Amino acid sequence: GAVVSQHPSWVICKSGTSVKIECRSLDFQATTMFWYRQFPKQSLMLMATSNEGSKATYEQGVEKDKFLINHASLTLSTLTVTSAHPEDSSFYICSAAGTGARSQETQYFGPGTRLLVL
Amino acid sequence: AQKITQTQPGMFVQEKEAVTLDCTYDTSDPSYGLFWYKQPSSGEMIFLIYQGSYDQQNATEGRYSLNFQKARKSANLVISASQLGDSAMYFCAMSPYNFGNEKLTFGTGTRLTIIP
Repeated sequence: GAVVSQHPSWVICKSGTSVKIECRSLDFQATTMFWYRQFPKQSLMLMATSNEGSKATYEQGVEKDKFLINHASLTLSTLTVTSAHPEDSSFYICSAAGTGARSQETQYFGPGTRLLVL
Repeated sequence: AQKITQTQPGMFVQEKEAVTLDCTYDTSDPSYGLFWYKQPSSGEMIFLIYQGSYDQQNATEGRYSLNFQKARKSANLVISASQLGDSAMYFCAMSPYNFGNEKLTFGTGTRLTIIP
């Protein structure tokens, strides 16, 4: 149980285009989803927290207009990188937490999405 | 604010030996949760073990145990009988309160390499 999927796993795009990444909780209802960013050989940095049906809360220094987050249902959150540039190239990983006995104790992570902007 | 410190950037351990990965933390929250995650080269974050700040006993999950010393603010991960498949990055993390549906603060990680 407690499976989180992400799609796509890999994306290569041209500079200036927008990229949408989906995060789904497959077997539980995720009241809260988190989006992290990880640069090579570095730790995960939280970008934003999204709660179903409400606006996302962004961490300091994260541009809201550039990283659009939508948490439209209890099983789906999306991150859209608008007008992507090479410096946005990174590993984006989501996590989900919600109701259910085990999921109360931890977050479950998706497999991540590697974004390369040319 | 919460802070996690992992002072070992890399470790090499002989297969079948036990290994301890260090983690210290700092927080002003009265209650909090401590986590360890494993990240293999594929990138996925694999949950290993959880310890609540009010838990009296150290958490254990199979070969993993968490050596929780609250007064010293440390939460070291102990892996017994290491295996080649244990080679990965290991991250210590914490959250406010005792629930995982709060945002996690991660340490910088320790790269563990198991030597055959």
